[in-house]
Amino acid sequence: AQKITQTQPGMFVQEKEAVTLDCTYDTSDPSYGLFWYKQPSSGEMIFLIYQGSYDQQNATEGRYSLNFQKARKSANLVISASQLGDSAMYFCAMREGVNTDKLIFGTGTRLQVFP
Amino acid sequence: DARVTQTPRDKVTEMGQEVTMRCQPILGHNTVFWYRQTMMQGLELLAYFRNRAPLDDSGMPKDRFSAEMPDATLATLKIQPSEPRDSAVYFCASGLGGRGNEQFFGPGTRLTVL
Repeated sequence: AQKITQTQPGMFVQEKEAVTLDCTYDTSDPSYGLFWYKQPSSGEMIFLIYQGSYDQQNATEGRYSLNFQKARKSANLVISASQLGDSAMYFCAMREGVNTDKLIFGTGTRLQVFP
Repeated sequence: DARVTQTPRDKVTEMGQEVTMRCQPILGHNTVFWYRQTMMQGLELLAYFRNRAPLDDSGMPKDRFSAEMPDATLATLKIQPSEPRDSAVYFCASGLGGRGNEQFFGPGTRLTVL
């Protein structure tokens, strides 16, 4: 089974609108961390947001928030007030367990923001 | 503005040649990662180090790949001999390790093996 699943290969959103990028994960370890990274066309990987499995509140960072639903094993990224510069690939990743720093990445979602 | 640096940015080589990629992690970071990104396999971890000691290299083909940290400011990834299937973007990342600490990625080395 895939550890991280991103079912949306591509998404479109109009500027200033909000968009949700889906991510589901699979682990039996009670301690894990979930990350979102952005990869613009230039290729670099940019960290956006982190959610720990024991965190009580959903993580937020500026226009990014993580909709963490533990029972559903989902960690969707919400981008509010989309900007043209948000057009990029977005990757969800999981660190599984406490004894590793290894990240397992999903296949990514390509987001395109149009005016 | 601290960044992870990688050299070379682009490398074209012929099958059978040795390839060495270098990475300078962010000063003070004790954990260094090597990732490979391809269209088919996506992003996959090859190996990572903590305090210069290898912790996990299970993702790395052992027969032709090797990763080392000669010192705290330099990580290397070597492929010998290179093959066309090694064509990919290789990312180095560094971080402080531990829960919640993000990994900071370098710009990547785009490797093409002909």
